[in-house]
Amino acid sequence: GAGVSQTPSNKVTEKGKYVELRCDPISGHTALYWYRQSLGQGPEFLIYFQGTGAADDSGLPNDRFFAVRPEGSVSTLKIQRTERGDSAVYLCASSFTGQGDTQYFGPGTRLTVL
Amino acid sequence: AQSVTQLGSHVSVSEGALVLLRCNYSSSVPPYLFWYVQYPNQGLQLLLKYTSAATLVKGINGFEAEFKKSETSFHLTKPSAHMSDAAEYFCAVSSSYNQGGKLIFGQGTELSVKP
Repeated sequence: GAGVSQTPSNKVTEKGKYVELRCDPISGHTALYWYRQSLGQGPEFLIYFQGTGAADDSGLPNDRFFAVRPEGSVSTLKIQRTERGDSAVYLCASSFTGQGDTQYFGPGTRLTVL
Repeated sequence: AQSVTQLGSHVSVSEGALVLLRCNYSSSVPPYLFWYVQYPNQGLQLLLKYTSAATLVKGINGFEAEFKKSETSFHLTKPSAHMSDAAEYFCAVSSSYNQGGKLIFGQGTELSVKP
């Protein structure tokens, strides 16, 4: 079956602009995660959804970052007033229920802020 | 709080040699532990995971890892390296308590395999 998909695969924007990154999880997975991977680093947790609600947003770096999952499936990560330091690969993962389940990762969106 | 330390950002082995990638974790609660592999320009793929069953865990592509609570380690091994094993490897920890399963990753170890 289809895996986790993310669009766009690459996004180049200018400092100060607004961007949206989309994640389409595996069908039937209730848990959805966003991570950020900077060059040469391991992924860092941003936010976790269980169904439609953000169950843990402790990894969001500041209030410029926001994510939604209105129907419990597709999720959008939104970044306002982008900064050069936001440049990274944004990874999305989904799992069947969450706790201890295997997380399946998408290919990521590479965000470059000029 | 949980954390992961991967010793060695880069490991190089000869084809056919033993692969040993080190991972130590810190966790105040019983952990779940994972190894993921990332090939160039691809997403993360699960190699294996420990979720409190057998301490020796076997994964895909001939990899295995042993959970050692006394050493807080979860090292990844493979008896004989293949050229196709060249990739970035990440160790990760999550809580076994009901905290949603977010993963805390190490910095990664890049494995090179020489012919």
